[in-house]
Amino acid sequence: DVKVTQSSRYLVKRTGEKVFLECVQDMDHENMFWYRQDPGLGLRLIYFSYDVKMKEKGDIPEGYSVSREKKERFSLILESASTNQTSMYLCASSPLDPTGDEQYFGPGTRLTVT
Amino acid sequence: GENVEQHPSTLSVQEGDSAVIKCTYSDSASNYFPWYKQELGKGPQLIIDIRSNVGEKKDQRIAVTLNKTAKHFSLHITETQPEDSAVYFCAASSPSTDSWGKLQFGAGTQVVVTP
Repeated sequence: DVKVTQSSRYLVKRTGEKVFLECVQDMDHENMFWYRQDPGLGLRLIYFSYDVKMKEKGDIPEGYSVSREKKERFSLILESASTNQTSMYLCASSPLDPTGDEQYFGPGTRLTVT
Repeated sequence: GENVEQHPSTLSVQEGDSAVIKCTYSDSASNYFPWYKQELGKGPQLIIDIRSNVGEKKDQRIAVTLNKTAKHFSLHITETQPEDSAVYFCAASSPSTDSWGKLQFGAGTQVVVTP
């Protein structure tokens, strides 16, 4: 059974802290994605990666960075957390198919920044 | 870039009735249109998808239709059941050179099926 796991289901951090969200997939997928989910706004792409050490900005990259040192692992970093980064964060992976393919999602991390 | 609009934002239906969710997209080059279902506390999961060379696709009680000319696609759920209650997202993918299979999602529809 395919699986995408995220390091935490719930996380509470203070303003200004550096926050790491980790995602691991076991499907040998080339593509990995980080989304942010907010009510009424759907899923917005923060960053994605199509290969190890490769990364591309999504629609809302400001305030975030990513790291992909191994194919199965994709980390989202909030360099200095702010209250407006309180949200649900979803990781996904997919095969490398420019014509589009199913993305497999993790269960999400609900981050609260106080 | 691609822009996807989804309506309605909430949908209440009686058990056994049909539910329809509609999405429009802006990029005429988009050619892959998946639908995801997100249950409470879980990540979205693909329930059905359609490619631009097909006008309709069915899988048991769910179906998706695509109108390329009008640039809209719809999800149809027949004989709704309480377990269909969830948030549904439509998405579109454009094969532009820098897309790498990215999906642009709609805002989501909260479907509530009442017994």
